[in-house]
Amino acid sequence: DTGVSQDPRHKITKRGQNVTFRCDPISEHNRLYWYRQTLGQGPEFLTYFQNEAQLEKSRLLSDRFSAERPKGSFSTLEIQRTEQGDSAMYLCASSSTGNTIYFGEGSWLTVV
Amino acid sequence: AQRVTQPEKLLSVFKGAPVELKCNYSYSGSPELFWYVQYSRQRLQLLLRHISRESIKGFTADLNKGETSFHLKKPFAQEEDSAMYYCALGISGNTPLVFGKGTRLSVIA
Repeated sequence: DTGVSQDPRHKITKRGQNVTFRCDPISEHNRLYWYRQTLGQGPEFLTYFQNEAQLEKSRLLSDRFSAERPKGSFSTLEIQRTEQGDSAMYLCASSSTGNTIYFGEGSWLTVV
Repeated sequence: AQRVTQPEKLLSVFKGAPVELKCNYSYSGSPELFWYVQYSRQRLQLLLRHISRESIKGFTADLNKGETSFHLKKPFAQEEDSAMYYCALGISGNTPLVFGKGTRLSVIA
């Protein structure tokens, strides 16, 4: 499968712990996006990269969230000191030219 | 700010009946509109985009700039069309897409 892949698919963590999600985009795509989705909502934009440069961050992305794409390939999204409100599906997507983006299957986070 | 509104959370239709999923957007410039679909236990996938003007799985959508709408239509619903449908707005220049909250389509046999 050469689509966008995300790891882990599911994560349960205790409140206050740190978690990290990884995303591997489609190989020729230079843009990589992180979205968050909660029940009953559509995907909400968090941040995106063009190659290794982080070009935009949503105000949803608090200081506890950090994303990197060090070599312009895979990306990580880290959440520090998790809170119950962080429980959501974290979606990664990638694109090349144009606006069509391709999603991964998502990483479910449950904070207990 | 750009916004996408999908007024229906749930739409139930009988198999063979016409389907229309509504989408309205808020943006004063030249938008790019998309429909994404998520079938049960599958990832979000692109259904169609207004630029390509193609029909996918019998679905079509026309961008109406006067009404700022991009409704998704299909003349005869099939059971396999049951899924979550998300309308999304993009701005030329490859900015991130803004999604609506989605409509769950349920096609009843």
